[in-house]
Amino acid sequence: ETGVTQSPTHLIKTRGQQVTLRCSSQSGHNTVSWYQQALGQGPQFIFQYYREEENGRGNFPPRFSGLQFPNYSSELNVNALELDDSALYLCASSLEGIRNTEAFFGQGTRLTVV
Amino acid sequence: AQSVTQLDSQVPVFEEAPVELRCNYSSSVSVYLFWYVQYPNQGLQLLLKYLSGSTLVKGINGFEAEFNKSQTSFHLRKPSVHISDTAEYFCAVRNSGNTPLVFGKGTRLSVIA
Repeated sequence: ETGVTQSPTHLIKTRGQQVTLRCSSQSGHNTVSWYQQALGQGPQFIFQYYREEENGRGNFPPRFSGLQFPNYSSELNVNALELDDSALYLCASSLEGIRNTEAFFGQGTRLTVV
Repeated sequence: AQSVTQLDSQVPVFEEAPVELRCNYSSSVSVYLFWYVQYPNQGLQLLLKYLSGSTLVKGINGFEAEFNKSQTSFHLRKPSVHISDTAEYFCAVRNSGNTPLVFGKGTRLSVIA
């Protein structure tokens, strides 16, 4: 077990709705990254937060947004949901700086958009 | 831009046989390389990583990988697989510094009794 927890584990939403996914990072980690994994594909980078600031973004539209809180937990928000947003959303935490660690992943949130 | 190619989408292998899962990457700078495993309905678990030093890296569950800079490859091997190794395996690359992982599309390893 990595110590990275995500909630909820499963979620069903209707097209056009908004969703918030949550991630609690491993103790001592200051960086959180979010990935989208469509069925049968590898994870795709959405964005990354380092010390509460977004410091990298993948090829995702602005309706994908996020936050990182002072305790380094994080949220992923998706507005105006589309059917193609159905995927497993993975959160990863790491320690970046003088001493770096590898990314530790949570169990993921399975989002289904109908 | 970095990219990762996993040459086999599916690899069936009999129990106790050896296996190799292939991974090639493209990058113009020094990279860190990783293999992750994903069991059904689970997140990603790190098997092993190459950051620097010895090109032969040993990981958990008896897996190992060899970094070959000239061939830009990082193939994963296990000398004898078990039924419990059945899972999806992902190769990933990142630059040094605070940069995200770039994943391949994955290889589904199916171990047959």
